[in-house]
Formats: sequence, structure tokens, C-alpha cells
Amino acid sequence: RKEVEQDPGPFNVPEGATVAFNCTYSNSASQSFFWYRQDCRKEPKLLMSVYSSGNEDGRFTAQLNRASQYISLLIRDSKLSDSATYLCVVKVPSGQNFVFGPGTRLSVLP
Amino acid sequence: NAGVTQTPKFQVLKTGQSMTLQCAQDMNHEYMSWYRQDPGMGLRLIHYSVGAGITDQGEVPNGYNVSRSTTEDFPLRLLSAAPSQTSVYFCASSNNQGYVGYTFGSGTRLTVV
Repeated sequence: RKEVEQDPGPFNVPEGATVAFNCTYSNSASQSFFWYRQDCRKEPKLLMSVYSSGNEDGRFTAQLNRASQYISLLIRDSKLSDSATYLCVVKVPSGQNFVFGPGTRLSVLP
Repeated sequence: NAGVTQTPKFQVLKTGQSMTLQCAQDMNHEYMSWYRQDPGMGLRLIHYSVGAGITDQGEVPNGYNVSRSTTEDFPLRLLSAAPSQTSVYFCASSNNQGYVGYTFGSGTRLTVV
């Protein structure tokens, strides 16, 4: 089993739609959790950290369920500019420190 | 505040040539890593460092060397370039606590012919 797994995608949604991405992780000792976005041919950029209580940033909501080892990202009212690949990232206690999921590609269509 | 700076942005090498990809950060981060990303693929960890003088191998270390003589710099050396090393290379850094995630450089696009 991979350490971090994500929905395989791609997701093709119309503008204004709500879309949810799911991520699971295998190391129960994982400490911190993040969502990154990566635009085509660009570096990944931090979208938001994920906290146990859940957190929201504008149209984006992240949730963490430690018991199920599950992270989610919800995007409401999708914009064309949201088209990107979304990466789930988990900080593990040792070794390589941050583990990246394979990413889920989102295309928002006009 | 420059963040993570990678040079060069683009490079073409001939098979068998060697070169060094440079990475520097000015955030006093302890943790630095090198990743490669092939078309349509995820990030794969090459080497990482948890502080000056300490390096370790990641998932795909063969054909690459690293050193960490200072906190700021983490160069990646290709020993004898092969076409299979054609990729985009990203350097990233973080404080060792990791609560703020990684900051990435803008990448080096390498083609080996």
C-alpha cells in the first residue's frame, strides 16, 4: 500500500460546481497535513494546511479524520483558474519527512 | 526574501556529461530535498538533508550525488547523464518542525540527448 493515496482523477467539472478530493495515508503517526496545487509546468505551491478541527479558506475547505487516516479538500463554486493538479502531502515523523500523494488533476470547464 | 532559488532553469546535456543543479534557500530551513517529476507523474524523492553535513537517499537516488556543506545550499550532481534523467527537478525546503510545509524552487528542466 502506498503511503499516501489520492483519487485517481482527472475530474472535469463545469464552472460553479462543487468538487471534493479525497486522500488516505498509511502512517498513523503522521503529524501534519497539507494540500498543494501544481499548475502545468510549475512548482507545487502550498494551498492550505489541514487541521484536526477542519479549516476553511474562502471557497476551500479541508478536513482531517485521524481515526480513518483520511483527508479531504472541498472546492465550492469552481473557477476556471482552479484547474490544476492537487497534491495531498503528509509529514511523517522521520526519514523523508514529507510524503506526497500522486495528485488529482482538476479541469474546470466553461 | 528570495525563498528557494534554483539554477539553471533549463539545461540540455549530452549523454555522459556531468553537471550540478544548484539550490539555495535564505529562510534558514534545516530540511532540504530534491525531487524529480516526469511528464504526467508525481514527485519522486531523490535525496534529502535534515541539516548541514547530513544527507540521505530517497526513492530514486541512483546516478545522483548531493552534499550539504552549509544550511543554505544543497546542490545536486549528475555524475554521468543518461536520457532516463530527462526530467524536471525541484528543490524544496522546510523548517525541521514541518508545520508550515515545503517551499519549492521554480524547477530545472533538464534534457539529456
